[in-house]
Amino acid sequence: SQQGEEDPQALSIQEGENATMNCSYKTSINNLQWYRQNSGRGLVHLILIRSNEREKHSGRLRVTLDTSKKSSSLLITASRAADTASYFCATDSGGSYIPTFGRGTSLIVHP
Amino acid sequence: DAGVIQSPRHEVTEMGQEVTLRCKPISGHDYLFWYRQTMMRGLELLIYFNNNVPIDDSGMPEDRFSAKMPNASFSTLKIQPSEPRDSAVYFCASRGIEVNEQFFGPGTRLTVL
Repeated sequence: SQQGEEDPQALSIQEGENATMNCSYKTSINNLQWYRQNSGRGLVHLILIRSNEREKHSGRLRVTLDTSKKSSSLLITASRAADTASYFCATDSGGSYIPTFGRGTSLIVHP
Repeated sequence: DAGVIQSPRHEVTEMGQEVTLRCKPISGHDYLFWYRQTMMRGLELLIYFNNNVPIDDSGMPEDRFSAKMPNASFSTLKIQPSEPRDSAVYFCASRGIEVNEQFFGPGTRLTVL
């Protein structure tokens, strides 16, 4: 069963705009990760945020975590056509540290 | 490092045939995961190994599915007999001992006719 659920399911924007995706989860977590999947490829890790962190940055990516609301957001600033992909959140909880993936948000960036 | 290697990249077979998917994890990684991805069910964890030992196979859908990891550099996922509903993309991923990112292979697209 999925722990994290991404919202929206699909997002279509113009190049240069910002893209925001959200992830909600149900139980307390150790870590939350975001992955990207280009069409026909495997998932690629983008960023990990720990449960005691509130915000992390990596290049044009900004991730926030609100454990009180059990939610996270991924912001891609100044989007590019190459950012077109599906984005997944993955959470791990308990002692196993094995992540569970959501269904993903499909992002299309129009040039 | 070449990353996680999977073979074949595409497999088309007929119902009832045996299918074997192969995976070579990144050298030095202690964990190996097998996932299945479909539009209907998303990305499902089938089984994972730690130091070549299967730890959790609760995601394996049926007895028709089996996975082995005979050594640290090789794993197989076998479906026998295959059915059309097994059609999906199967991913292998590996991870080091630290709690961090998983490295995914390119996947095997399986079509069972």
